[in-house]
Amino acid sequence: DAGITQSPRHKVTETGTPVTLRCHQTENHRYMYWYRQDPGHGLRLIHYSYGVKDTDKGEVSDGYSVSRSKTEDFLLTLESATSSQTSVYFCAISSGTSGYNEQFFGPGTRLTVL
Amino acid sequence: LAKTTQPISMDSYEGQEVNITCSHNNIATNDYITWYQQFPSQGPRFIIQGYKTKVTNEVASLFIPADRKSSTLSLPRVSLSDTAVYYCLVTNRDDKIIFGKGTRLHILP
Repeated sequence: DAGITQSPRHKVTETGTPVTLRCHQTENHRYMYWYRQDPGHGLRLIHYSYGVKDTDKGEVSDGYSVSRSKTEDFLLTLESATSSQTSVYFCAISSGTSGYNEQFFGPGTRLTVL
Repeated sequence: LAKTTQPISMDSYEGQEVNITCSHNNIATNDYITWYQQFPSQGPRFIIQGYKTKVTNEVASLFIPADRKSSTLSLPRVSLSDTAVYYCLVTNRDDKIIFGKGTRLHILP
């Protein structure tokens, strides 16, 4: 399995609190991605990174920010969590552009916002 | 990116061959067809990718007709452990890919 971990694996928080999810990889892959998965919606891309300090928005980026200060870490922050952000969050990595290269996914983080 | 259409769900029985067809009428010249598999409570896993004709690996086969407007993922002799969601994607050199809702495959004993 690709060396990709997510922390925490489960989190329950309250509306209005800030939350940071961490994705860590040991593969030295250039590309990293954050997705959310909700029933009836499949996987939706939130943000992605194509290098240290290089990030871009996905299809559902509102309410989320990301940072990548090191190749191995990609952080997803919910500045003020809302109940609509209750979801399962997956991080993925890829050695090249995701269209041509396999994406490897982490185990996921289940976030509940009360 | 070209939009894909695939069945929402399918049922099959152990030992059968399962074929999941995906429609992608607006596929572009430099687009590839990629399939991912997702088991419950896990992230998706890459299965196979192809451009045209037929691709086969240890897990599945991918059949792509000459017009490339559709593709078929073939799983030989499925078992209960093949119960999963299967995503058909059209991908190109872009930095990101779009997952749809996938096909929920349920294998019955």
